Amino acid sequence: GNSVTQMEGPVTLSEEAFLTINCTYTATGYPSLFWYVQYPGEGLQLLLKATKADDKGSNKGFEATYRKETTSFHLEKGSVQVSDSAVYFCALAPTGGGNKLTFGTGTQLKVEL
Amino acid sequence: EPEVTQTPSHQVTQMGQEVILRCVPISNHLYFYWYRQILGQKVEFLVSFYNNEISEKSEIFDDQFSVERPDGSNFTLKIRSTKLEDSAMYFCASSDGGSNEKLFFGSGTQLSVL
Repeated sequence: GNSVTQMEGPVTLSEEAFLTINCTYTATGYPSLFWYVQYPGEGLQLLLKATKADDKGSNKGFEATYRKETTSFHLEKGSVQVSDSAVYFCALAPTGGGNKLTFGTGTQLKVEL
Repeated sequence: EPEVTQTPSHQVTQMGQEVILRCVPISNHLYFYWYRQILGQKVEFLVSFYNNEISEKSEIFDDQFSVERPDGSNFTLKIRSTKLEDSAMYFCASSDGGSNEKLFFGSGTQLSVL
């Protein structure tokens, strides 16, 4: 079946540091890939997505590239801010669409001044 | 921005008791979902609901679970006889179409079964 593996947290960074959160997946066919973010006390929000190989999703300075050859979708940001402190979830949707998402465990990011 | 609302934010219950978790999806959405996350584990799909019936469910969603849309605004998850292993954060979500690009989540209900 489908699965998503992401790096364990918590990750603690200083403001303006470079962020990478690794995510790899196992799936048949051509899944869509997502990063969701959960700020304290709020629901999961879609951060970015990519629907086919080599697509790059981007939003709010975050980027992730759909790499089919390495089955990866690593999240990156060049300069994090304190306001980026949240839990980040990597997820995939199966080939053909639908909303039965498969999630990773989530990675907590804490950004300090 | 419209949001999915879940109540309560925390629910504590005794093993064997029935619980109902409540969700108010975004008003013009047609597809509704429940996911859960046991502490330290992955967020798992439980069930999807469309046109007043379950469209898909996972193997977790056994006879102890049921969902209902009792009126035009609420979407509920009922657990008939809770077990310790049902302790988790339960997330409701909704979308206006089957596309996975427009899934909106609530902030979750933390269920603790003692």
